[in-house]
Amino acid sequence: IQLTQSPSFLSASVGDRVTITCRASQGISSYLAWYQQKPGKAPKLLIYAASTLQSGVPSRFSGSGSGTEFTLTISSLQPEDFATYYCQQLNSYPYSFGQGTKLEIK
Amino acid sequence: QVQLVESGGGVVQPGGSLRLSCAASGFTFSSYGMHWVRQAPGKGLEWVAFIRYDGSNKYYADSVKGRFTISRDNSKNTLYLQMNSLRAEDTAVYYCAKKTHDAFDIWGQGTMVTVSS
Repeated sequence: IQLTQSPSFLSASVGDRVTITCRASQGISSYLAWYQQKPGKAPKLLIYAASTLQSGVPSRFSGSGSGTEFTLTISSLQPEDFATYYCQQLNSYPYSFGQGTKLEIK
Repeated sequence: QVQLVESGGGVVQPGGSLRLSCAASGFTFSSYGMHWVRQAPGKGLEWVAFIRYDGSNKYYADSVKGRFTISRDNSKNTLYLQMNSLRAEDTAVYYCAKKTHDAFDIWGQGTMVTVSS
């Protein structure tokens, strides 16, 4: 299953609302997770089951979608949110990740 | 606290072998499926392999099938990745990750594998 994220690069300012889209090449129900990765660090789980916020993750992060189209929204960007974001499908093996979306400061 | 610590990375020649380890602590290791994920320098994440909590089922990415073997020792709370016939394209940071619900909730810090002559 191929996952395509858009955009691949995103430039935004603190306080902006941003949305990242992940499209699956076939239906994956709600078996989608979102991760945040900062340089030199391991990925951090943000959202699982498409829309469930992982414990400890700020509520400005939200996820939605099912089937083949999913979105990750950050309601008001904070300085610590500038990072790379990946979606991942866990519907069937081999599991796969999107190519990533790098969120940069404008 | 809940923690995964990888070790065993290094520099190896093409065609060589390496065994990675992932030591788990802070949770009941024997109750969870475990994964390896890798990331080539400057690239995205690539899922590599999975092993069921009891070792009874294993899955591999096509890119490593037949060359890599995932295993675990629940008595030692340790996950392994035996990598044989290594290629330059296997150069990456290798992460182990714990699966819960439908996501990978705990990741190790990663161990770097460089395949070069």
